[in-house]
Amino acid sequence: GDSVTQMEGPVTLSEEAFLTINCTYTATGYPSLFWYVQYPGEGLQLLLKATKADDKGSNKGFEATYRKETTSFHLEKGSVQVSDSAVYFCALSSSSNTGKLIFGQGTTLQVKP
Amino acid sequence: GAGVSQSPSNKVTEKGKDVELRCDPISGHTALYWYRQSLGQGLEFLIYFQGNSAPDKSGLPSDRFSAERTGGSVSTLTIQRTQQEDSAVYLCASSLDDRAGTQYFGPGTRLLVL
Repeated sequence: GDSVTQMEGPVTLSEEAFLTINCTYTATGYPSLFWYVQYPGEGLQLLLKATKADDKGSNKGFEATYRKETTSFHLEKGSVQVSDSAVYFCALSSSSNTGKLIFGQGTTLQVKP
Repeated sequence: GAGVSQSPSNKVTEKGKDVELRCDPISGHTALYWYRQSLGQGLEFLIYFQGNSAPDKSGLPSDRFSAERTGGSVSTLTIQRTQQEDSAVYLCASSLDDRAGTQYFGPGTRLLVL
């Protein structure tokens, strides 16, 4: 079945460091790909998405490119801030199902001043 | 506008009791999803409603779990004879579209079964 694998955390970075959180997927067809973020004490919210190969999703300085050849959707940010500390979830929605999201295990990011 | 709301925000119950969790989706959203977030299993899909179509119940972990959506809006997730392994955060999400549409999540109901 469809699945998402993302790098384990926690990831601890200093402010202004470069961030990469790896995400790979297994799916039939052409899924849509998402990054959701969960800030401390808050609900899940969409960070960015891409719906077809080579699309780049971007928001709040974060970017991820849909790479069909490597079945990846890595999250990157050039300069992280303390306020980016959160749990990040990679997810897919298969084109052949109801749109339900299949999530990776989540990666905790802690940014230190 | 108002987002997805869920109630209660926290629920503590004794093993064997039944619980009902409520979700109010964003007005006009036709698709509604329930997920469960637990330490051991991460985020997992439970059930999906779209309009008047039969729900997709493929993620429900046992027949103790059921859900309904009345009038295409409010949804209730019911867990009968709760077990300790049911302890988790139950999340509801709604979207305009059931394919690549963005799902908007509620704050969740934190369930603790003693």
